[in-house]
Amino acid sequence: QVQLVQSGAEVKRPGASVKVSCKASGYTFTDYYIHWVRQAPGQGLEWMGRINPNSGGTNYIQKFQGRVAMTGDRSISTAYMELTKLRSDDTAMYYCARGPFLGDWGQGTLVTVPS
Amino acid sequence: QLVLTQSPSASASLGASVRLTCTLSSGHSTYAIAWHQQRPDKGPHYLMKVNSDGTYKRGDDIPDRFSGFSSGAERYLFISSLQSEDEADYYCQTWGTGIWVFGGGTKLTAL
Repeated sequence: QVQLVQSGAEVKRPGASVKVSCKASGYTFTDYYIHWVRQAPGQGLEWMGRINPNSGGTNYIQKFQGRVAMTGDRSISTAYMELTKLRSDDTAMYYCARGPFLGDWGQGTLVTVPS
Repeated sequence: QLVLTQSPSASASLGASVRLTCTLSSGHSTYAIAWHQQRPDKGPHYLMKVNSDGTYKRGDDIPDRFSGFSSGAERYLFISSLQSEDEADYYCQTWGTGIWVFGGGTKLTAL
């Protein structure tokens, strides 16, 4: 079955960077876009962007332009999301998800940026 | 601008049926959407895709108590025989050219 397994929780200082991984299994990694979604404490879901694991092409929402980079390593079926210049309001759960309908989700990675 | 609107909350009695609504913004009434369930302290889980023609397709592990429907710019999620485990936040989601959008979510309380 399809699985997306994410890396563990992170605590980062303001101004630092974080890189979250998402390892895919159970399907051909290059056949589906990987999306990244975040959820701040007590808030709703916010789409951040996506990567085409086949071409490496990306789309990011304007809010994160210049601070986010989504990459993929086809050899190990793993996608990455790096967020730089972290602020306290980046404290959130970060999820990866597969395909246009986000039909499969990772378990989430909590990133904490103390103020 | 592509926007999805959901009521913040809904409630229904255990064993009853409930309908949640997601409204597409003007000019986007032909868009398909997906519904996702998020139980307390859990990650989101895909429920189904609902097309503009009213057809829908559930995820493989979703019981048939969950169904979908469309009318104009509105997309619906029906839950019948409400169970305590259905108490959750429900998000609709759609996509345009290079952008994905979520509704604000509906918190469903099972009474």
